[in-house]
Order: sequence, then C-alpha cells, then structure tokens
Amino acid sequence: GNSVTQMEGPVTLSEEAFLTINCTYTATGYPSLFWYVQYPGEGLQLLLKATKADDKGSNKGFEATYRKETTSFHLEKGSVQVSDSAVYFCALIWAGSYQLTFGKGTKLSVIP
Amino acid sequence: ETGVTQTPRHLVMGMTNKKSLKCEQHLGHNAMYWYKQSAKKPLELMFVYNFKEQTENNSVPSRFSPECPNSSHLFLHLHTLQPEDSALYLCASSRQAHDEQFFGPGTRLTVL
Repeated sequence: GNSVTQMEGPVTLSEEAFLTINCTYTATGYPSLFWYVQYPGEGLQLLLKATKADDKGSNKGFEATYRKETTSFHLEKGSVQVSDSAVYFCALIWAGSYQLTFGKGTKLSVIP
Repeated sequence: ETGVTQTPRHLVMGMTNKKSLKCEQHLGHNAMYWYKQSAKKPLELMFVYNFKEQTENNSVPSRFSPECPNSSHLFLHLHTLQPEDSALYLCASSRQAHDEQFFGPGTRLTVL
C-alpha cells in the first residue's frame, strides 16, 4: 500500500541555518505530493505542493522537488527563522481519491 | 469569517456524556473531512463527505457519528467515548477529490 516516511525528529537548528527534512514515499504511479505545517495550537496549513514529476513547489522560502526516480519530496529552506518552529508533515494523494496519506511529522525547533 | 472554522476549540467530557463538534467551511468546497490526531501517531482519516454524501468511513467506532446537512457544515456527534479517544479532531475541506485540503484549527478533546 501507500506510505510516506519522514526523517525522525525533533530537529533543532540555529537561526539562519539550512534546513532539509527528508520525505520518501512508497506508491505505484504518480501521486500528488504535499508539505503541510502545523504551528503550536493550530491546525495544518498547506505549505507547498507538486502534482507531477520534476515539479518544484515553493512558498515562504521553502522548496521541494518531486523526484520520481528516488520517490522523494524533500523539504528545504536556505535560512530558517525562529518563526519556522513547527511540525512539518509530508503527504500524498492519488487522482480521484479523498485519502491523504501523511507521514508521522517532523518537529522543527529554531533557536536564536 | 474565512477558511475552515471549528467549535469548540477545547472540550472536556465524561465517558457518559453526549457532545457534538461543529465544522464550517467558507471556501465553497464540495468535500469535507474529519481527522483524528493523536500523539505519536500519523493523522487518521475518519470520515469523508462529498456533496453531503458520505464516501468513506475508515472503520471508525459507532460512538462517533458524523452528520453533514449541507456542503458547508459538518458535525461529529460523540457519545460514550473512552479515554483513548482523547485527541485533536481536525476538520478539513477540499474543492474535489485529490485537491489540497484546507484544515480548521481543531478541537482538543479530553475524555475523563
């Protein structure tokens, strides 16, 4: 079946450090891929998405590229801020499906 | 109001109580969802409604009863819950299947 694997957290970085959160998926075919972010005490917010191979999603300085050959969708940001502290979820969905499959989430803490 | 709203934000109930969670979306979407988010577990999809019709029920116990009177409103009726049902309950909506889902802030439920 489908599954999404994220790197184990928590991740602690200093402000302005480079961020990578790894995400790989197991699926046959080409699902749409998403990154969601959950700030403390809030629901999930869509951060970025990619719907086909080689697409690059980007938002608020974050980027992720849909890599078909490695079945990956790693999240990156060149310079993190304290306000980026949150839990990040990688997810996939199939065309015609309502079922979002989520990874377990990676908690990021950015310290000044 | 914009986006997806949920009430109440916090709820404490005993195992013999009956309560309801409410979700409203102001995005003109056709599909609505209930998710359960427990500590250290991936998000679990509970129910999906599309154009007010239930399309998915992921083996959810009958003590959880959803209701979707129209495409903008979704309820989750709760009765005789167990302490292990304590979690964050998230509502989401999307325009159609496989589109990005927009989440509400959640209801933090504690069952005593």
